[in-house]
This record gives sequence, C-alpha cells and structure tokens, in this order.
Amino acid sequence: AQRVTQPEKLLSVFKGAPVELKCNYSYSGSPELFWYVQYSRQRLQLLLRHISRESIKGFTADLNKGETSFHLKKPFAQEEDSAMYYCAPHGKLTFGQGTILTVHP
Amino acid sequence: DGGITQSPKYLFRKEGQNVTLSCEQNLNHDAMYWYRQDPGQGLRLIYYSQIVNDFQKGDIAEGYSVSREKKESFPLTVTSAQKNPTAFYLCASSMQGAGYGYTFGSGTRLTVV
Repeated sequence: AQRVTQPEKLLSVFKGAPVELKCNYSYSGSPELFWYVQYSRQRLQLLLRHISRESIKGFTADLNKGETSFHLKKPFAQEEDSAMYYCAPHGKLTFGQGTILTVHP
Repeated sequence: DGGITQSPKYLFRKEGQNVTLSCEQNLNHDAMYWYRQDPGQGLRLIYYSQIVNDFQKGDIAEGYSVSREKKESFPLTVTSAQKNPTAFYLCASSMQGAGYGYTFGSGTRLTVV
C-alpha cells in the first residue's frame, strides 16, 4: 500500500541541539514529498518541498530513494520550532500521523 | 488578499442531521481537498477534486458527500450516515503539477451533540 510513515509521535530536544524528524515512504515511482508545519493556533502551512532542495527556517530535507526516506533536519533547534510537523505526499494520499516537536529552553 | 476560507469555525450538530461545511478559495487553484484530523491519526483524506464537476473518494469517504460546481468552492456535507462525525475538518487547495504544495484553510471543528 502507498503510504507515508512518521515513526515518532513526540520528539523533545533542547535549544541548540540538532533535530531530525523522520519520514519514510512506501510507494513506487518518483514521490513528490513535502513537509508541513502547524504552529500553535496557526493554520497548517507548507515548510519544504523536496523538488526545490531549499532551506527554510534552517530546516533541510533530502529525498533518499535508497532508504525511501525524507527526513527533516535542523542543526540547531530553536524554541520557536516547537510545532506539529507532517510529512506528506502531494496528491490523493493521506498524510502521515505527524510529529509533535518540543524544543526546551 | 488571496487565500482559502473555511466557515464556520465551530459547528454543532444534532445526531441525525446533515450539515455542510464551506470551503472557498480565490487562488485560482484547480485541485481542492477535504481532510479530517483526529488526535493521533494524522490527516485522512475524505474527498478530492482536480477539476470542476469532478471529484473522487479518498480513504474515508463513507458518510460524506461533496460537490464542485465552481472552481472556487468545494463544500463538504457530513451526513447522518457518518458514524463518528465529531472532528476537525481541513480544506486545502493546490495547483496541478509537480512541486506545488497545498494551501490549507483554518479548519472547522464539528461537534455532534
């Protein structure tokens, strides 16, 4: 079955520590993958798209076809990064379960 | 100011009643989607539409219906056949083609009383 999996529901780190939010996909072809973020009391918004290979708010994500992963990384976490993060394919598929990231001072 | 608007923000419904959630976008996006968000279950796709007058079922379409008579509008009806309708509903839109992500609305919280 085609799906995206985020194995960690909760992730806690301290400010300044590196953070990696995991995302694995299990479908064939060339996936169009995105990371979305939902800050407290804000609507869900696009953070990163794999096709652009950009860095947004210090976050990067590389598509690894060998490992079928699209992990989100940031070398030095900030308190304002605390939010819900979703890894998602574009189109007609259900999102992953999401990971709640908490960055402690 | 372009965007996607969902209304109402909060909605209460009695058991046995149908209710319609509104979703309007002025982004000129072709595709529109409805998701349901429940704690611990992520976002599950209910229905999607890639073009006017056409829509497809998602993973959890039972008990829901939609229409797409205009490009800007994609209303969702939660029918009395939906067994567990209390949830947070999110509407999204996107352009067609590779590389375009979704733009989300602010959501509607439906509570069945």
